Amino acid sequence: EVQLVESGGGLVKPGGSLRLSCAASGFTFSDYSMDWVRQAPGKGLEWVSSISVSRTYIYYADSVKGRMTVSRDNAEKSLYLQMNSLRAEDTAVYYCARAVDYYDTSGDYNHYFDLWGQGTLVIVSS
Amino acid sequence: QLVLTQSPSASASLGDSVRLTCTLSSGHSRYAIAWHQQQPEKGPRYLMNLNSDGSHNKGDGIPDRFSGSSSGAERYLTISSLQSEDESDYYCQTWDTGVVVFGGGTKLTVL
Repeated sequence: EVQLVESGGGLVKPGGSLRLSCAASGFTFSDYSMDWVRQAPGKGLEWVSSISVSRTYIYYADSVKGRMTVSRDNAEKSLYLQMNSLRAEDTAVYYCARAVDYYDTSGDYNHYFDLWGQGTLVIVSS
Repeated sequence: QLVLTQSPSASASLGDSVRLTCTLSSGHSRYAIAWHQQQPEKGPRYLMNLNSDGSHNKGDGIPDRFSGSSSGAERYLTISSLQSEDESDYYCQTWDTGVVVFGGGTKLTVL
């Protein structure tokens, strides 16, 4: 079955750290860029980070830059998010997503998500 | 700066059709987008990728009731023969040089 399964969420105090994992199965993990997206309670989707197949291109949202680090292990078919200096506003469900990279009919580069995990909840609270 | 604008809410009756809109900010009218559905208490699900010329590629298992189209800076998601399970939040998403952008989402209510 083609799927993504996140783990590692939980309750952490402000200033603390947490490492999220995303296990991929049913497809060739090393063929795809991967992203993290989060959703605060009652809010919309917010992109967090993206990592290309060979880790050449890594991007972060301004809201997490310098505090979170994305990585991947293609041999283990896994994606990770190391979260440090956590704040209350980082409280959210974190989703991993498989990304398709392509050039559209206008010749522009595109990056969109065609597979999502079920999410893991991170609560930052004292 | 690239911004995707969606109406916060929409409603339509069971069996009817509804068209949701995602508007690209000025200067970005030729960007492709993707549509995602999020049913209550569930993770998002990919619906389709939609190009500026209206061509689109749907995800596996997405019913024919879901279709996409484009006009200028607007990207549309049309759902026909509405069913109760279509009551969801719908998000559009795109990319701009190192940044993924989401619209604010439209909450669709099926009456």
